[in-house]
Amino acid sequence: GAVVSQHPSRVICKSGTSVKIECRSLDFQATTMFWYRQFPKQSLMLMATSNEGSKATYEQGVEKDKFLINHASLTLSTLTVTSAHPEDSSFYICSAKDRTEAFFGQGTRLTVV
Amino acid sequence: AQTVTQSQPEMSVQEAETVTLSCTYDTSESDYYLFWYKQPPSRQMILVIRQEAYKQQNATENRFSVNFQKAAKSFSLKISDSQLGDAAMYFCAYRSLEYGNKLVFGAGTILRVKS
Repeated sequence: GAVVSQHPSRVICKSGTSVKIECRSLDFQATTMFWYRQFPKQSLMLMATSNEGSKATYEQGVEKDKFLINHASLTLSTLTVTSAHPEDSSFYICSAKDRTEAFFGQGTRLTVV
Repeated sequence: AQTVTQSQPEMSVQEAETVTLSCTYDTSESDYYLFWYKQPPSRQMILVIRQEAYKQQNATENRFSVNFQKAAKSFSLKISDSQLGDAAMYFCAYRSLEYGNKLVFGAGTILRVKS
């Protein structure tokens, strides 16, 4: 199957700083990418849908100014957590869709201290 | 809005035995996709099996098969000859063909495999 690469896999940052997470589709072009958040032993919660060349569509309750999404090319989407706080600590997963199915990145464990 | 329900938070199975994970969903659409994903401790999401709603035949992938009951909106996963490597969190997911192709996930079922 297709490969989606997500970096970094782990990041620790200080409160008040910003951190960027990258999601790349390595062997296919993804016009649409999705960003999820997952708490321990819970399901994946969709945060936003990222469309190449246009603004992301955020799910209800997700702060678009805190979670900035950029999808500048057909193979790269980025999620920037701005002014991070400890409550933003979580596991973030990206997904890229080809014609038929979604492929997932390895996830990023963000810890804000 | 579509919803996916997994009513079994945890399941256990003896190695080499068979286990069935349940999933029900709610939708008013007639065409959609259903998936089972596996999330092992590494937390990498792995596609186990996919079912197109317009297909009456149940999907099968080696030891994994589904029982798709469209009228009942039920989509269970059967794992035969369970192996230690099958231990993971399993998520049932629904994908609409209309609403941005978003995946809606169930709450998940933790599967433990006993040796």
